[in-house]
Amino acid sequence: AQKITQTQPGMFVQEKEAVTLDCTYDTSDPSYGLFWYKQPSSGEMIFLIYQGSYDQQNATEGRYSLNFQKARKSANLVISASQLGDSAMYFCAMRGLYSSASKIIFGSGTRLSIRP
Amino acid sequence: SAVISQKPSRDICQRGTSLTIQCQVDSQVTMMFWYRQQPGQSLTLIATANQGSEATYESGFVIDKFPISRPNLTFSTLTVSNMSPEDSSIYLCSVVTGGKDTGELFFGEGSRLTVL
Repeated sequence: AQKITQTQPGMFVQEKEAVTLDCTYDTSDPSYGLFWYKQPSSGEMIFLIYQGSYDQQNATEGRYSLNFQKARKSANLVISASQLGDSAMYFCAMRGLYSSASKIIFGSGTRLSIRP
Repeated sequence: SAVISQKPSRDICQRGTSLTIQCQVDSQVTMMFWYRQQPGQSLTLIATANQGSEATYESGFVIDKFPISRPNLTFSTLTVSNMSPEDSSIYLCSVVTGGKDTGELFFGEGSRLTVL
């Protein structure tokens, strides 16, 4: 079975500060992928970043980076220099690449609010 | 990438009726999924839509309530049957593109259903 846990239901951060959104996971798949998505108030789901379980380096995409600690089963999202437009719901997700038939499951989400 | 169109984008339905949501993708995709997002909640996988065969349902979801069709690699429908107010949600069609080891999940705009 797979499970994704996001323990921060909401966070407030000052504009231009860095923020870390926590995500832990559990899976029996030997190979898996980890994702982060952003959902603004408009409701669309926006893909941010991907980390494969066998990737040697942490993934980075512009201001987004993924702090992947495999032994601790954590995949935290780091947003550097936060902007007002970063205010949204953020979902951590996981896909097993073998036994889970490639379906993706989501965590409960973290609502990030950026203060000017 | 993939462009996904969903219809209807929103609807208000009466209790006891059924509604079919259509999902059209601009390219052939192997993996297609249907998710439900209840108000203020995360995304929950309903089923994997399999081309040419019966959908694979997740625990808590049954074919009689959520029949799914997938006649080809670019199109799928989800029917929400005998609706009750508890079915008021956003229903999202999604597809995975790319290789087995990556595969970003693309989403349609969602269909927001309100059941009175």
